[in-house]
Amino acid sequence: DTGVSQDPRHKITKRGQNVTFRCDPISEHNRLYWYRQTLGQGPEFLTYFQNEAQLEKSRLLSDRFSAERPKGSFSTLEIQRTEQGDSAMYLCASSLDPGAETQYFGPGTRLLVL
Amino acid sequence: QQQVKQSPQSLIVQKGGISIINCAYENTAFDYFPWYQQFPGKGPALLIAIRPDVSEKKEGRFTISFNKSAKQFSLHIMDSQPGDSATYFCAASIGSGANNLFFGTGTRLTVIP
Repeated sequence: DTGVSQDPRHKITKRGQNVTFRCDPISEHNRLYWYRQTLGQGPEFLTYFQNEAQLEKSRLLSDRFSAERPKGSFSTLEIQRTEQGDSAMYLCASSLDPGAETQYFGPGTRLLVL
Repeated sequence: QQQVKQSPQSLIVQKGGISIINCAYENTAFDYFPWYQQFPGKGPALLIAIRPDVSEKKEGRFTISFNKSAKQFSLHIMDSQPGDSATYFCAASIGSGANNLFFGTGTRLTVIP
């Protein structure tokens, strides 16, 4: 399967701990996005990269959140000092721009902060 | 502030019936309107998309109707099947589908045999 992959699929952590998620986009896709989805809601945009450059960040992305895409391939999303409100599904997507408008989503990482 | 409003929250349709999901937006800068389908445990997948220069787009059993003046668009699923049971999200973006998407809150569709 050459789709978007995310690791881990599930993460349970205690409040105050740091967590890091990884996303591997579809090969050759230069755009990579992070979204957050809470129960019963649609995905909310967090940030996106064009190659290794982080082009846009939502105001939802507080100082405790940091995303990187160091070599323009995989990306990591780190949450420091997790809070219970961070519990959500974190979705990664990738696309090829220019040339295509479809964002392909991964299966997500479900985070539970106790 | 929800940029894209979606209704209904849930929908139950008999097999063979028509499923209709509606969305409305306020930002007139939006010019790309996709619909995504999400099954439990999976990420959303693009179903069909439209730009405001056309009023309707059909792909198989799925049709988007777009009303630019009313700032509304809807998804129609003809001959609904149990395999269509999923959560559907409308979305909007500015300039390109490769830009950040603003999603609606989702509609859980159940198609009963």
